[in-house]
Amino acid sequence: SQKIEQNSEALNIQEGKTATLTCNYTNYSPAYLQWYRQDPGRGPVFLLLIRENEKEKRKERLKVTFDTTLKQSLFHITASQPADSATYLCALDPNNAGNMLTFGGGTRLMVKP
Amino acid sequence: GAVVSQHPSRVICKSGTSVKIECRSLDFQATTMFWYRQFPKQSLMLMATSNEGSKATYEQGVEKDKFLINHASLTLSTLTVTSAHPEDSSFYICSAPRLAGGQETQYFGPGTRLLVL
Repeated sequence: SQKIEQNSEALNIQEGKTATLTCNYTNYSPAYLQWYRQDPGRGPVFLLLIRENEKEKRKERLKVTFDTTLKQSLFHITASQPADSATYLCALDPNNAGNMLTFGGGTRLMVKP
Repeated sequence: GAVVSQHPSRVICKSGTSVKIECRSLDFQATTMFWYRQFPKQSLMLMATSNEGSKATYEQGVEKDKFLINHASLTLSTLTVTSAHPEDSSFYICSAPRLAGGQETQYFGPGTRLLVL
């Protein structure tokens, strides 16, 4: 069956450290993968998109990798801050037909000062 | 930047009543919008694709007669939960795609919290 798996346990790290979140998928062949941030009671906010021919993408303190062989994407936040505390979701278009997204379960990140 | 709004942000209703949720793209047009539902501590689940000028496309297991979708214009889609029951209590979120910076990105609304008593 098709799955998008993220670590359901909360990730607790100290301020200033690098947070690394994992997204693994099964029985999909996505042309791209996206990462979103969701704060409690709010809709997701788009962060980064990485295409299958891109191994790495960066945006400020964020870095995303995409390994189509391992069927895995890693999401890194460097120099983490308490304001980075949120749930981070990975998502992909299951049909590569444009726009419709299937989400992973999300990983809650807690950055302690 | 692109903004998607939803109204109301939260609603409490009695069992058996109908509730309408609006999703608007504020500074861009969207021929397609998506409706998601999110239960506590779970991920977003796509319910349906709203298409301007044509019928919505529903995901498997979503009752089209219970969740009525109308894409009235290029900036407005509505989701009506008919004859709501307590099990319909959830967080409903819409999204609209827009081309930004050379790539198509989904912009999500802030969500609507529905509580059915």
